[in-house]
Amino acid sequence: GNSVTQMEGPVTLSEEAFLTINCTYTATGYPSLFWYVQYPGEGLQLLLKATKADDKGSNKGFEATYRKETTSFHLEKGSVQVSDSAVYFCALKGVTGANSKLTFGKGITLSVRP
Amino acid sequence: GAGVSQSPSNKVTEKGKDVELRCDPISGHTALYWYRQSLGQGLEFLIYFQGNSAPDKSGLPSDRFSAERTGGSVSTLTIQRTQQEDSAVYLCASSLASGSNGDEQFFGPGTRLTVL
Repeated sequence: GNSVTQMEGPVTLSEEAFLTINCTYTATGYPSLFWYVQYPGEGLQLLLKATKADDKGSNKGFEATYRKETTSFHLEKGSVQVSDSAVYFCALKGVTGANSKLTFGKGITLSVRP
Repeated sequence: GAGVSQSPSNKVTEKGKDVELRCDPISGHTALYWYRQSLGQGLEFLIYFQGNSAPDKSGLPSDRFSAERTGGSVSTLTIQRTQQEDSAVYLCASSLASGSNGDEQFFGPGTRLTVL
């Protein structure tokens, strides 16, 4: 079955530091890949996505590239802000029918200090 | 426009009682999903509805869990004879359709269930 593995956390960074959160996946076929974010006290929301190999998703300064050869979708940001403190989830989604549910990684908590 | 709404936002119940959790998806969204978020297990898929097709119940953890979707819109997740391990945040999500693999799922704020 499908699975997503995220690096273990929590992660604490200083403001303006470089961020990488690793994510690898196991899936049949060509899934879509997502990063969801959950800010404190808020619901889960989509941060970015990529639907095919070599696609790059980007939003709010975050980027992730769909790498089929390494089955990875690592999240990066060049300069984090305190407002980026949240829990980040990597997820994949199959193409149709029973595979269309999201399979999530365990999530990683990011804390950015001023 | 209105997003996915869920009710109640919090539910405290005693072990052995039944509970019903409600989800109102975004209007026009044909796909509806239930997930559970708990400390030990992370985010887990429970059940998925797509239009008039038979639901995918493969994620339901036991036969105490059931869900229905009336009229292709509102959904109710029912947990019978609740146990303490059912304590979690239950999330509902909807999307336009599951046919496109890039369809975004929009999540509701969740129902926090506490079983005493």
